[in-house]
Amino acid sequence: EAGVAQSPRYKIIEKRQSVAFWCNPISGHATLYWYQQILGQGPKLLIQFQNNGVVDDSQLPKDRFSAERLKGVDSTLKIQPAKLEDSAVYLCASSLAGALGETQYFGPGTRLLVL
Amino acid sequence: KQEVTQIPAALSVPEGENLVLNCSFTDSAIYNLQWFRQDPGKGLTSLLLIQSSQREQTSGRLNASLDKSSGRSTLYIAASQPGDSATYLCAVGSGNNRKLIWGLGTSLAVNP
Repeated sequence: EAGVAQSPRYKIIEKRQSVAFWCNPISGHATLYWYQQILGQGPKLLIQFQNNGVVDDSQLPKDRFSAERLKGVDSTLKIQPAKLEDSAVYLCASSLAGALGETQYFGPGTRLLVL
Repeated sequence: KQEVTQIPAALSVPEGENLVLNCSFTDSAIYNLQWFRQDPGKGLTSLLLIQSSQREQTSGRLNASLDKSSGRSTLYIAASQPGDSATYLCAVGSGNNRKLIWGLGTSLAVNP
């Protein structure tokens, strides 16, 4: 079974530039999560999708971050414009149905450095 | 507000030792607790998932326990190996919004 795929693996940009990350969840998984993990901290949930609908985006900085999952499969996360404090690893995860007690499967992450 | 704490923040042990990583949480109203492993430059791998009704889970050399009343979980690693070197994160499933609340992790180094 293929795992969660993410690209790119690394990205270096200058502040005020734009960047986009892509995630393909495990086949058949209805729920997709984007997390931000700053060095030395635990992951912070940015947005959770159930199929192509948003379940939770309460911690997404909506003035600069956007995410979509148009067909309920893969997803993109965009930052526009980027700030220095956006430097982090962006993790995508998926789960079968988003049910209570369900395991989330994580991708390798995209490491972003904003200069 | 649920808070998750992991102690110690870092641990260095010689190969072969049995070791215990600790995770504590402030609100006992959880629906599950998970232990993850994170290798440098890589994503997170789920090691063990304990439902709120369970007391422990085992997988190979790993054993995780859960005591909801005291707000504690431990991850026991038997006969540690250099390949166990990684950061171990504890995450608690809590709240009506089903969010995972994360600890900061324990960085483990097993020396040959």
